[in-house]
Amino acid sequence: NAGVTQTPKFQVLKTGQSMTLQCAQDMNHNSMYWYRQDPGMGLRLIYYSASEGTTDKGEVPNGYNVSRLNKREFSLRLESAAPSQTSVYFCASTAVSYEQYFGPGTRLTVT
Amino acid sequence: DQQVKQNSPSLSVQEGRISILNCDYTNSMFDYFLWYKKYPAEGPTFLISISSIKDKNEDGRFTVFLNKSAKHLSLHIVPSQPGDSAVYFCAALNQAGTALIFGKGTTLSVSS
Repeated sequence: NAGVTQTPKFQVLKTGQSMTLQCAQDMNHNSMYWYRQDPGMGLRLIYYSASEGTTDKGEVPNGYNVSRLNKREFSLRLESAAPSQTSVYFCASTAVSYEQYFGPGTRLTVT
Repeated sequence: DQQVKQNSPSLSVQEGRISILNCDYTNSMFDYFLWYKKYPAEGPTFLISISSIKDKNEDGRFTVFLNKSAKHLSLHIVPSQPGDSAVYFCAALNQAGTALIFGKGTTLSVSS
């Protein structure tokens, strides 16, 4: 039982490049989330998916798209990366909306 | 505008003493609160939670207190241990019950 896994762990992009961050959970959870963590800013919600086939915007969705591929997988896409998107990205899942289980994070740098 | 506030960015405590981490919230409709702990280079892990129908919840060395009239909660760690050194995030479940709203975190350092 791996819990929540994220790939890649680290990534460096040039401004304008695109990439997809992958997240998978093996706990049969319905809800999945993407957060970003910046110094002094805490965890801010980008997008979430309450169930397979649904997605909703969080606090900071601009510049991102998401896909809930199936119940296990929830991906985050940056179509045209900007330096302001340099951050640590965390995926989380939960059977209910609290007590979320987090992945280990992806550290993204955009130059 | 921040709905969940952790006004102390850092806290230093000696091993064996009590650590008290504070959190304030602005929305009186929030009815479920959680604390998460985060070590460097790892994802946050759930620590303890409390519903608004209670004013205290205890789990081993960790106790969370909720003061609804003051819109304030606190996490007490007794006794503090060096392994407790981490960033602690306070979070509230949003009114729709669909997502958590996190504070900015407090870095706890416990020295031996």
